Amino acid sequence: AQTVTQSQPEMSVQEAETVTLSCTYDTSESDYYLFWYKQPPSRQMILVIRQEAYKQQNATENRFSVNFQKAAKSFSLKISDSQLGDAAMYFCAYRSPNTDKLIFGTGTRLQVFP
Amino acid sequence: DAGITQSPRHKVTETGTPVTLRCHQTENHRYMYWYRQDPGHGLRLIHYSYGVKDTDKGEVSDGYSVSRSKTEDFLLTLESATSSQTSVYFCAISDRSDISFTEAFFGQGTRLTVV
Repeated sequence: AQTVTQSQPEMSVQEAETVTLSCTYDTSESDYYLFWYKQPPSRQMILVIRQEAYKQQNATENRFSVNFQKAAKSFSLKISDSQLGDAAMYFCAYRSPNTDKLIFGTGTRLQVFP
Repeated sequence: DAGITQSPRHKVTETGTPVTLRCHQTENHRYMYWYRQDPGHGLRLIHYSYGVKDTDKGEVSDGYSVSRSKTEDFLLTLESATSSQTSVYFCAISDRSDISFTEAFFGQGTRLTVV
């Protein structure tokens, strides 16, 4: 069974600085999809970025980028030029192409200080 | 925004009573998921569905059952509610194209309190 691990329960960053959130996963599948979701206090789940395992190029969405290391089974999220609105829970997720299960990590709470 | 609605949004129930939560979608997506969110545990998959009448268990399925009699509705039932099932429940939907998987879209969540 696949698992997703987020080892940082909480992180903090100063406004305009850069922060990296860690995620590792365990799988025996060779192809899969990885996601980062953001959950602000409103509880709404918002997709931040996605990565297909067969693509070697790291995904980027504006200030958000990932460092995808397939051999190490690592999928970290880098937030550049942090803004107060980035404060939220961030969840890493794995989707299996065989079972279509979507598995989440335990989350990292990001605080952004002015 | 994806058309996904959870009902009720809040519910307080007594221990031992059955409870049903409803997830309704208007997107005609094939896949539907139920999660529970608890502090320190993130989102844990309870059950999911890959088509009408096709469901499978997630990692925390004990004490829960689901049904999907039509594409748009996915029901989660707590057979006999316990205090450990006090949680926020999320429904999610997703589809699968011939080219790539799409991300999941989430409902607004249901806060369930079992007293």
